[in-house]
This record gives sequence, structure tokens and C-alpha cells, in this order.
Amino acid sequence: EAGVAQSPRYKIIEKRQSVAFWCNPISGHATLYWYQQILGQGPKLLIQFQNNGVVDDSQLPKDRFSAERLKGVDSTLKIQPAKLEDSAVYLCASSRQGVLQETQYFGPGTRLLVL
Amino acid sequence: GENVEQHPSTLSVQEGDSAVIKCTYSDSASNYFPWYKQELGKGPQLIIDIRSNVGEKKDQRIAVTLNKTAKHFSLHITETQPEDSAVYFCAAELQGGSEKLVFGKGTKLTVNP
Repeated sequence: EAGVAQSPRYKIIEKRQSVAFWCNPISGHATLYWYQQILGQGPKLLIQFQNNGVVDDSQLPKDRFSAERLKGVDSTLKIQPAKLEDSAVYLCASSRQGVLQETQYFGPGTRLLVL
Repeated sequence: GENVEQHPSTLSVQEGDSAVIKCTYSDSASNYFPWYKQELGKGPQLIIDIRSNVGEKKDQRIAVTLNKTAKHFSLHITETQPEDSAVYFCAAELQGGSEKLVFGKGTKLTVNP
């Protein structure tokens, strides 16, 4: 079974520029998560999708971050414009149904550096 | 909301020794507590989890204990090996609406050969 795929693996941009990350979850997984992991901290949930609908985006800075999962499979996360404090690893995870006590499988992440 | 505290932030042990990492949580309704291992340049990988209807779970050299009354849970690694070196994260599932995981800040474990 192929794991969660993410691209790019690394990205360096200047502040005020825009950037987009892509995620392909495990085949058949209905639930997709985007996390932000700042250096030295645990992952923090940004947004959770169930199929192509948003379940939770309470911690997504909506003035600059957006995400979509149009066909209920792949997802993109965009930052526009980027700030220095957005430097972090952006992790995508998926689970089968997004129900209680279900395992989340993480991708390798995209490491973003904002200069 | 849920808050998860994890200690220690760094832990260094000799190969063969045991390692213990402790976490506390604030939401008494939480019922699911996974532990993830993150190696350099990789995403977190689930290594063991425990649900609130049990107090202890073991998988080879790894065990997790849960004390719901005190709202804390611990990861125990016995007979540590250099390949156990990584950052370990505990998490608690926040209930109500979305089944969201709240992570601790992580413990960097170094196993010295």
C-alpha cells in the first residue's frame, strides 16, 4: 500500500510571495488533514477534510491560508502572502473514515523556509 | 481546549537501558492516546496507541500506560537500540465535533551505543 505523497519536499521563498503544497492521500482514505509543524513543536492541525468537505478549519489562518480538495482525493494548501513565521514543515495525513480513535498516516512533509 | 504536556524534551540513554516519556492532558473526555515516532526528514509514524478502556498495552519492547484519573500516560521503551533514536510525540484525541489530535511538543531520544 503506497503511503501519503507530498510535494515539493522543500521550498524556499521570500516573504510576501505565495506558495502551494500538494498532497495525495492513501488510496481509499476519505479523511485528509493538513498540519503545521514549527521547529521544536508537535504538529498542529490546520484543516481537516472529509471527502471534499471541510470538517474543521478552526486553526487555519484564513486571511492567508487556503486549502481545497475538489474531487475528494488530492489536496492543495496555499499560503498567500507568506510571512516569516510560516517557516515550518507542512504535513499531510490521511485516515480511512475520520472516525474516533482511527489511525492517521502521515506523509514526509514539505519543509518551507520564508526569508 | 485540549492541552498536552510532554516531558522530558530531551532524553539520552545508553544502549540497552530503558527510556520513559510522560504526558499529561487536560480534557477528561479524551479517550484515545497515540504515540508517534518521527525520524529526521520524515513524517510521524504511529508506534503504539491506547484507548481509555485499558490501563496498559505492550508491543514487544514498547509499552504504554494510562492513568485516566490523573490524566497522564507514559511511553516505555525497554532494551533501547540506536535505531530508537528519534523524536517521539504523544497525542490526545479531542472530542466533540471533529476527532482532532492534539500533540505534545515532542521528546528527542538519543540512544548512545
